[in-house]
Amino acid sequence: GENVEQHPSTLSVQEGDSAVIKCTYSDSASNYFPWYKQELGKRPQLIIDIRSNVGEKKDQRIAVTLNKTAKHFSLHITETQPEDSAVYFCAASRNSGYALNFGKGTSLLVTP
Amino acid sequence: NAGVTQTPKFQVLKTGQSMTLQCAQDMNHEYMSWYRQDPGMGLRLIHYSVGAGITDQGEVPNGYNVSRSTTEDFPLRLLSAAPSQTSVYFCASISGPNEQFFGPGTRLTVL
Repeated sequence: GENVEQHPSTLSVQEGDSAVIKCTYSDSASNYFPWYKQELGKRPQLIIDIRSNVGEKKDQRIAVTLNKTAKHFSLHITETQPEDSAVYFCAASRNSGYALNFGKGTSLLVTP
Repeated sequence: NAGVTQTPKFQVLKTGQSMTLQCAQDMNHEYMSWYRQDPGMGLRLIHYSVGAGITDQGEVPNGYNVSRSTTEDFPLRLLSAAPSQTSVYFCASISGPNEQFFGPGTRLTVL
């Protein structure tokens, strides 16, 4: 089955800096790669996703890049703010999203 | 729209007891899924459904049963609870463009 590795497991940055979280996947048939943000005690919420026919996608301060050849994808958050502090999960799916394989998460702390 | 709802929010069971975690959605989504979340493990897929009457196993299906008799409901049954099933359970429904909408979760403790 699909194996998704996520790094780092914890990340601390100062407000205004950029944060980068990286994931690798094993199944070359995976075609959908979402990123979720989960605040303490809350449900995961989709923040951005990318499909295998696209190399990069941006939404304001958030961007995701995908390298299909190397089977890795990354989340980039620019101009970080304290409210960006949360756990971020990457995921991969070979059936366009209805069965996701998640990474183990990155705990991001943004200090003022 | 209520979105995805789950009941109960919290539950404590004794080893060997059975129970059903309820999940309902009012968005008319065909696809629904169940995940469990354990500390440091991310979310792991238990079972999923691509429509009424159709279910399939995910990564960690042992000890759980599902059925999908209607589009709206996707209950998860624990047949004989074990301490290893202590976890937070999230139900999700999936929109056409494939975004998963998660419910608020059920925190289950098995003693």
